[in-house]
Amino acid sequence: SQTIHQWPATLVQPVGSPLSLECTVEGTSNPNLYWYRQAAGRGLQLLFYSVGIGQISSEVPQNLSASRPQDRQFILSSKKLLLSDSGFYLCASSRPWDSSYEQYFGPGTRLTVT
Amino acid sequence: AQTVTQSQPEMSVQEAETVTLSCTYDTSESDYYLFWYKQPPSRQMILVIRQEAYKQQNATENRFSVNFQKAAKSFSLKISDSQLGDAAMYFCAFKYGNKLVFGAGTILRVKS
Repeated sequence: SQTIHQWPATLVQPVGSPLSLECTVEGTSNPNLYWYRQAAGRGLQLLFYSVGIGQISSEVPQNLSASRPQDRQFILSSKKLLLSDSGFYLCASSRPWDSSYEQYFGPGTRLTVT
Repeated sequence: AQTVTQSQPEMSVQEAETVTLSCTYDTSESDYYLFWYKQPPSRQMILVIRQEAYKQQNATENRFSVNFQKAAKSFSLKISDSQLGDAAMYFCAFKYGNKLVFGAGTILRVKS
């Protein structure tokens, strides 16, 4: 089975500061990787997904970017945070051979922009 | 458009009773997968159950079962013998391409 690690678990950053959230996957090679954002009590908004190293698809134009420097590493970044970037960020992974694209989720990062 | 609608923002159930969460979806795909995920207060997303659209038999996992009506594009989740640990937000989702499309979620409260 897959294990998804995310860090940090909690982050408080001032407006205008940079951001780097990291996600790593254990237990599978060449996973499909996803970044979601979730506002309190709300649904999941897909931000980015990747089907391989260096391959990033953006779902929503915003202040964020994503990179995949290694097969099982997915990074979410921002050069200058906005108040609206606050939220709960989830990383997910699906196995490349699983035609259902069932996703496994990490524990999430709670980001507060002050 | 590929969409998922969960029309019940919140539901309540008495412990040991049965509750059904509704989900409808719209997709142009003919073969797809459907999922129910649970997000407890810890916010860890957990897969509850999945259904392959080409299978007519409804999926079952212990106390959790689905009522899949492909023609109506309906995929409801039934929780039997509800337990306090079932209290969570539940998300319905379906596979579209190499992604999942999620509904807005239903908060389930379990009363003791």
